[in-house]
Amino acid sequence: AQKVTQAQTEISVVEKEDVTLDCVYETRDTTYYLFWYKQPPSGELVFLIRRNSFDEQNEISGRYSWNFQKSTSSFNFTITASQVVDSAVYFCALSEAQAGTALIFGKGTTLSVSS
Amino acid sequence: GAGVSQSPSNKVTEKGKDVELRCDPISGHTALYWYRQSLGQGLEFLIYFQGNSAPDKSGLPSDRFSAERTGGSVSTLTIQRTQQEDSAVYLCASSSSPGTSTTGELFFGEGSRLTVL
Repeated sequence: AQKVTQAQTEISVVEKEDVTLDCVYETRDTTYYLFWYKQPPSGELVFLIRRNSFDEQNEISGRYSWNFQKSTSSFNFTITASQVVDSAVYFCALSEAQAGTALIFGKGTTLSVSS
Repeated sequence: GAGVSQSPSNKVTEKGKDVELRCDPISGHTALYWYRQSLGQGLEFLIYFQGNSAPDKSGLPSDRFSAERTGGSVSTLTIQRTQQEDSAVYLCASSSSPGTSTTGELFFGEGSRLTVL
């Protein structure tokens, strides 16, 4: 069975600090997909990234970067030079490759960035 | 509309009453998901519809919960004989891909907040 663990419930940082959000997953499939979603205070979930299990290259998008390591079953998310607008709940999610498989989410990490 | 639309945005009901929550997905999206988000919890998968295939109901917490999708578009989530533990935000999402094996992006609605007194 697939499972996603986000051990950090809440993180508080001051603006301009770097912060890493951890995500550990479990799956028996060799082909799977990992995601990060952001849920700002407004409540609507926003897609950030999708990574398939065959692509272990790290990805950088502006201040965001993702580190995928199959050896440790982790898909961590780093925000560089955090800003107040980054304050949100961040969810990591996993989907196995079989079509029609639901996306399973972790419990989320609440990030608070203060000025 | 341009996005996933859910109604009502807020619903307060008394324990034991039935409620219906509606989701209008993005036009043309074949996949539709319902999730539940309780305070301090993650997103709990409830049910998934894909085209004309039988829905994946594996996440429904009890037989008081049911959902249907008419004409491959609008979906209704029904909770019968509501209990206080049903209080949560119910989120609907749609996707243009048959699962998450292609683009993988789910577009979420703003949710329906259900409070059972």
